[in-house]
Amino acid sequence: DVQLQESGPGLVKPSQSLSLTCSVTGYSITSGYYWNWIRQFPGNKLEWMGYISYDGSNNYNPSLKNRISITRDTSKNQFFLKLNSVTTEDTATYYCARNWDGWFAYWGQGTLVTVSA
Amino acid sequence: DIQMTQSPASLSASVGETVTITCRASENIYSYLAWYQQKQGKSPQLLVYNAKTLAEGVPSRFSGSGSGTQFSLKINSLQPEDFGSYYCQHHYGTPPTFGGGTKLEIK
Repeated sequence: DVQLQESGPGLVKPSQSLSLTCSVTGYSITSGYYWNWIRQFPGNKLEWMGYISYDGSNNYNPSLKNRISITRDTSKNQFFLKLNSVTTEDTATYYCARNWDGWFAYWGQGTLVTVSA
Repeated sequence: DIQMTQSPASLSASVGETVTITCRASENIYSYLAWYQQKQGKSPQLLVYNAKTLAEGVPSRFSGSGSGTQFSLKINSLQPEDFGSYYCQHHYGTPPTFGGGTKLEIK
């Protein structure tokens, strides 16, 4: 069965970049599906951030378009999130998730990232 | 972006009761709606997609209905493991957006 696992720093300073890794086991990220990042803010609001497709194409939430980049390393079956110029408003639990027809059937366990000086 | 509005924001019920959570979309999303359950400290788990199709392994006491802009998730005969938070999400194009959540607590 497919499993996703997020990893990365739990604390980032304002104005710096947030970088996270999603490691996927049980399915090749080049075989199919869209590989997403979703975040959940304190207070529990969920926000879809964007995805990288099995073919390497991207789609980002317009609200983040100038700050976000999602890339991948197919040799390691990993994909990555980079969010630039973070502020305290970017403090959230970050999830990676897989979807195809729009719903998210598989999620990682999430990783809390706090933006603070 | 399509706005998703859930009600109620919180709900208190007893084991064995039947509850209904509603979700309203700001525009027509046909049947492109999913529901998730989230337990404290865990990731959301898919319950329903395409408004009424149960995800694999989801008990039949859960049911989804609706189309257009009005949707509901019904849970018959609440079980102790059903308590937590529930979210709707439209999957009609991008960006997909989520409702604000309904917290279901034990009475």
